Amino acid sequence: GAVVSQHPSWVICKSGTSVKIECRSLDFQATTMFWYRQFPKQSLMLMATSNEGSKATYEQGVEKDKFLINHASLTLSTLTVTSAHPEDSSFYICSALIAGEPSYEQYFGPGTRLTVT
Amino acid sequence: AQSVTQLGSHVSVSEGALVLLRCNYSSSVPPYLFWYVQYPNQGLQLLLKYTTGATLVKGINGFEAEFKKSETSFHLTKPSAHMSDAAEYFCVAGGGYNKLIFGAGTRLAVHP
Repeated sequence: GAVVSQHPSWVICKSGTSVKIECRSLDFQATTMFWYRQFPKQSLMLMATSNEGSKATYEQGVEKDKFLINHASLTLSTLTVTSAHPEDSSFYICSALIAGEPSYEQYFGPGTRLTVT
Repeated sequence: AQSVTQLGSHVSVSEGALVLLRCNYSSSVPPYLFWYVQYPNQGLQLLLKYTTGATLVKGINGFEAEFKKSETSFHLTKPSAHMSDAAEYFCVAGGGYNKLIFGAGTRLAVHP
């Protein structure tokens, strides 16, 4: 149980275009999801916390107008990278909390590799 | 400030040797601690977690970790390394507002 999927697993887009990444909890409800960014050989950097039905909370330094997050249902959160540029190329990972579970354990998706040309 | 420190960004061991990955956390973090493993181009997989109760925690693939409050440590060990253990390992602590605090990661290399 507690499986999180991401789609697509990898995407290549041209500079200036937008790309949407989906994060789904397959067998549980997730009132809270998280979006992380990971640069090569580095740790995960939290970008934002996404709560179902409300606006996402962005970490300091993350442009909310560039990284649009929508959490429209208890099983789906999306991250849209708008007007992507090469510096946005990265590995994006989402995670989800099981509603009501108090242990802070997050279930991670397999990640999405974004390359902007 | 809350923080997690992993000692050694790279650890190399021989196959069959003991694996020891070190992790210390700041005393201000809540006592929820995790070790995750990441294989290349993949997400994170939970190895084990400490929440409450027994301080020696056993996880998957033969890994275990011991929570030592007095030393603010949560070191990860495995008695005998396998080639398949080569990966990136993250020590993680539960922070406020359901957030996780990540260590910088330790890359484990296993050589024949």
